[in-house]
Amino acid sequence: QSALTQPASVSGSPGQSITISCTGTSSDVGSYNLVSWYQHHPGKAPKLMIYEVSKRPSGVSNRFSGSTSGNTASLTISGLQAEDEADYYCCSYAGSSTHVFGTGTKVTVL
Amino acid sequence: QVHLVQSGAEVKKPGASVKVSCKASGYTFTSYGFSWVRQAPGQGLEWMGWISVANGNTNYAQKLQGRVTMTTETSTSTAYMELRSLRSDDTAVYYCARNHNEFSASPLDYWGQGTLVTVSS
Repeated sequence: QSALTQPASVSGSPGQSITISCTGTSSDVGSYNLVSWYQHHPGKAPKLMIYEVSKRPSGVSNRFSGSTSGNTASLTISGLQAEDEADYYCCSYAGSSTHVFGTGTKVTVL
Repeated sequence: QVHLVQSGAEVKKPGASVKVSCKASGYTFTSYGFSWVRQAPGQGLEWMGWISVANGNTNYAQKLQGRVTMTTETSTSTAYMELRSLRSDDTAVYYCARNHNEFSASPLDYWGQGTLVTVSS
């Protein structure tokens, strides 16, 4: 199972919107509406930000939103804030009780 | 509130085994599944496998088949991950994470703090 493909880095100024892509295949992202996104500050535990493509867990800011199109999922962060600077990983269910993570994207707030 | 507390850092020699524990509290242990994820230095997150706490069913990443075993102990609300025949590229931070429900397809809503496993001769 190959990792989902994400851009290595994305940056934006405070207040701007950025979008992180996550490209898989017809066996994972394209087959299931079961994509999740995790925020990971180095040295801390990852945090679930989006699940089932576009749902937000309780307590997650509505500045975070998710979508899919074909084999590509996307995470959009609007109104970028300094605290959003972190690594972000997508993850898709891939069938047969398996999951696959993305390669990860470092978000920098300029 | 939900808490997952993992065991401490380990240093192992190549060929040895390691067993990492993850003690859960704040919820009904048997109503959710557990997954394990690792992150090698400078690398991304890697899904390792899943276990159903309710019935013990497991599924492991293909690359780890035969070397990894995930178990749970309901009496102490603890999940375990054992990795055998350790190699240098198994050096990583290992995370336990609770699945959002009892099903393997669900996302990981709570995570442990991570356990660093270093494999070195």
